[in-house]
Amino acid sequence: ETAVFQTPNYHVTQVGNEVSFNCKQTLGHDTMYWYKQDSKKLLKIMFSYNNKQLIVNETVPRRFSPQSSDKAHLNLRIKSVEPEDSAVYLCASSEQGNYAEQFFGPGTRLTVL
Amino acid sequence: QQKVQQSPESLSVPEGGMASLNCTSSDRNFQYFWWYRQHSGEGPKALMSIFSDGDKKEGRFTAHLNKASLHVSLHIRDSQPSDSALYFCAASEHNNYAQGLTFGLGTRVSVFP
Repeated sequence: ETAVFQTPNYHVTQVGNEVSFNCKQTLGHDTMYWYKQDSKKLLKIMFSYNNKQLIVNETVPRRFSPQSSDKAHLNLRIKSVEPEDSAVYLCASSEQGNYAEQFFGPGTRLTVL
Repeated sequence: QQKVQQSPESLSVPEGGMASLNCTSSDRNFQYFWWYRQHSGEGPKALMSIFSDGDKKEGRFTAHLNKASLHVSLHIRDSQPSDSALYFCAASEHNNYAQGLTFGLGTRVSVFP
C-alpha cells in the first residue's frame, strides 16, 4: 500500500516533556511537510523538507524541530511541550513542482496536560 | 487576516441537492488552488485542483476560478451523505510549492436525508 503513515495516532503528555512523532511515505515523493491543525481546524504549515533543504515557517517556536533520515521519513520532535501545542499534527508529501498534489497522513493528536 | 477566506462557515444540503462553497484570496501571489476534503478523524484529501480561469469538472464536482478577482468556488451536484465533511480551499505561490499550502478555515458541509 502506498500512502503517508503516521505514528502514534494519539499522545497524551505533561507540560515540559519531550515528544517525537513519526512520518513515513511510500509514494516515492521528494518533498515532505508538517502541518499543525488547531482546535478550530485551521491548518498551518510548520516545515517542509526537500532534497535535504529545510524550509521553516518563521512563526514556529524553536522547541519544534523536524528530523529526516531519508526522503521517505520526516519526524517531528517537540523539546518541551506547552499547553498550546495541543493539536493534530499532520504529515504530508508531494512530488516537486507547482502542480503537485499533497497527500496527507491521518494525523497524530497531541494532548498536553 | 486570513490570506485565504472561505464562506459559508457551514452548509446544510438535502441529499441529492447542490452545495456551493466559496473561497477568496487576498494575496495576488497565489496562483494555484486546491479543494481538500477532510472527514472526521482523517487527514485532508485533495478533491480537485484548478490553475486556469474557468470551470473544471470532475464527476459531481465542479470548480471555478476567476484569477482577476482571486475567487474560487466548488459546486457539489447530487450531494450524498458521504459528502458530509470539512472542505478546505488551499493555495500556493508560483515556484514556491515547498513553502506548503495556505489553507482557509474551511466550510463544514452536512448532507441530510
